[in-house]
Amino acid sequence: GEDVEQSLFLSVREGDSSVINCTYTDSSSTYLYWYKQEPGAGLQLLTYIFSNMDMKQDQRLTVLLNKKDKHLSLRIADTQTGDSAIYFCAEGNDYKLSFGAGTTVTVRA
Amino acid sequence: NAGVTQTPKFQVLKTGQSMTLQCAQDMNHEYMSWYRQDPGMGLRLIHYSVGAGITDQGEVPNGYNVSRSTTEDFPLRLLSAAPSQTSVYFCASSTEQGGQKNIQYFGAGTRLSVL
Repeated sequence: GEDVEQSLFLSVREGDSSVINCTYTDSSSTYLYWYKQEPGAGLQLLTYIFSNMDMKQDQRLTVLLNKKDKHLSLRIADTQTGDSAIYFCAEGNDYKLSFGAGTTVTVRA
Repeated sequence: NAGVTQTPKFQVLKTGQSMTLQCAQDMNHEYMSWYRQDPGMGLRLIHYSVGAGITDQGEVPNGYNVSRSTTEDFPLRLLSAAPSQTSVYFCASSTEQGGQKNIQYFGAGTRLSVL
């Protein structure tokens, strides 16, 4: 969606950290989301963050939110081959989400 | 727990044909949505519903109709298919209630080609 922008590709070495960035425009969104899509599959919710939070950590995943700059990032620690997928940033309410175009993450050995 | 089920998984249509993409959820979610996914464009909202009998248009509604006669089902109809409707279609559901509030659950998608 035009309201959410993210880079299209990221290549990372196995074991390194991945950082996927996203910018959004709607400051009224209550939640911001990260979804993962593996080839031929639907979207799987990875994590989400309330708009009044700055950071959320969940095992290997760290989400950082900069409300002033409307910038969201997803860090994946110790990236594995199973992390190769398309990652979508999304904002909105519970039945109307605006998605970015998706970042294709390729993990190389 | 089946979650969100979409049928068919694949479909090929000729221009001008009509068809219905089925979506069903068994989580008693009040909200349901249809998105289409095109390369380099992410997902775009086609139609959504906030409850049985209530539907509204999303970002790209032209060429599609929906209805919501029950909480469980939210079919998407293509009245006269066009090549521009070649896409992957995803159905999603969510709820305002409980611990899963504001999380959209997606089906596996329907891959549609219009020749």
